[in-house]
Amino acid sequence: QQQVKQSPQSLIVQKGGISIINCAYENTAFDYFPWYQQFPGKGPALLIAIRPDVSEKKEGRFTISFNKSAKQFSLHIMDSQPGDSATYFCAASISFGNEKLTFGTGTRLTIIP
Amino acid sequence: DAGVTQSPTHLIKTRGQQVTLRCSPKSGHDTVSWYQQALGQGPQFIFQYYEEEERQRGNFPDRFSGHQFPNYSSELNVNALLLGDSALYLCASRASGGLETQYFGPGTRLLVL
Repeated sequence: QQQVKQSPQSLIVQKGGISIINCAYENTAFDYFPWYQQFPGKGPALLIAIRPDVSEKKEGRFTISFNKSAKQFSLHIMDSQPGDSATYFCAASISFGNEKLTFGTGTRLTIIP
Repeated sequence: DAGVTQSPTHLIKTRGQQVTLRCSPKSGHDTVSWYQQALGQGPQFIFQYYEEEERQRGNFPDRFSGHQFPNYSSELNVNALLLGDSALYLCASRASGGLETQYFGPGTRLLVL
């Protein structure tokens, strides 16, 4: 079965620190790797995404690092802020635009002052 | 633009009953997907509708069925409800052939007693 494994399950980071969430996948056909942010009572919202032809993508304080040979990718949140406290999900699909996303199990991030 | 809207927001049903959940896609979007998110888990893909037909399906039994209307809105039907069907049901929409990824609605929280 296609799986995306995500760790850690929960993470506490001090304000201003770096939050790092890791994901690993099995299906080498995956070609699109988005990260979603979900606040309580809301649906997931796209944060940043990467294709396997690049090893890193940065948007503001958010960076995805991608290691194709290891089949791993990670989200780095620089200068973490209390407003970043949410649940983060990594996901994968076999192509951009393919609605069948396979999600990780989520990481609950808490930023403390 | 109201984004993706779903109704109802919450629903309580009894085992064996049937339920219908509704989704209106974001303006300009013609493709709708449904996901099931159990508590503490990542969303799982149920199926996708485009041009009023089911185009892709995840690993869900036939008790889960759907429909897409000419105005692109969609319904998710679940028959013979089980306790394990208790979850947040998310609808996502996108414009076919577009460059944007899918947008998620806030979900319908279903509790089966």
